[in-house]
Amino acid sequence: AQKVTQAQTEISVVEKEDVTLDCVYETRDTTYYLFWYKQPPSGELVFLIRRNSFDEQNEISGRYSWNFQKSTSSFNFTITASQVVDSAVYFCALMTTDSWGKLQFGAGTQVVVTP
Amino acid sequence: DTGVSQNPRHKITKRGQNVTFRCDPISEHNRLYWYRQTLGQGPEFLTYFQNEAQLEKSRLLSDRFSAERPKGSFSTLEIQRTEQGDSAMYLCASTGGQPDTQYFGPGTRLTVL
Repeated sequence: AQKVTQAQTEISVVEKEDVTLDCVYETRDTTYYLFWYKQPPSGELVFLIRRNSFDEQNEISGRYSWNFQKSTSSFNFTITASQVVDSAVYFCALMTTDSWGKLQFGAGTQVVVTP
Repeated sequence: DTGVSQNPRHKITKRGQNVTFRCDPISEHNRLYWYRQTLGQGPEFLTYFQNEAQLEKSRLLSDRFSAERPKGSFSTLEIQRTEQGDSAMYLCASTGGQPDTQYFGPGTRLTVL
């Protein structure tokens, strides 16, 4: 069975602080894909990144960075120098090759950035 | 290229009424997914279409729920005899092929009184 755990329900930071969101996944498949989505108050899920199980390279995109470690089944997300516009719920999701492409989401982490 | 669109954005109905939601995917995307999201939770898979064929349905999709994608383009999700427990955000996503990235619409928020 597939499972995604986001243990942090809410994180509050002051603008310009860094924030790291944890994601731990479970799957028996050797080929799988991990995603991060952002859900601002408007409600629409915005795609941030996709990573496949064979690519453990960390990635940086502007103020966003991702740390994928298969050894610990984790795919953590860091926002550097947070801004008020980063306030949203962030979801980690897992897709396995035998799941018809459906996403298994974690419960999400609410990030609150105050000025 | 326009994104995924969903209508209506909000729907308030009384218990026992039927409701129908529409999703228009990104053009030429052959795969379409429906998810349901309740307050404080991540989206949960409901059903999936490849072109006009409905290939999988979740256990969450009771017999009061039905989804169609008649011409392989837009899709509809109908809930019959709504219950208060059906109150949720209904999200639609489309993709060009597995394991391509799913792009989500803005969702339809359903409130059952």
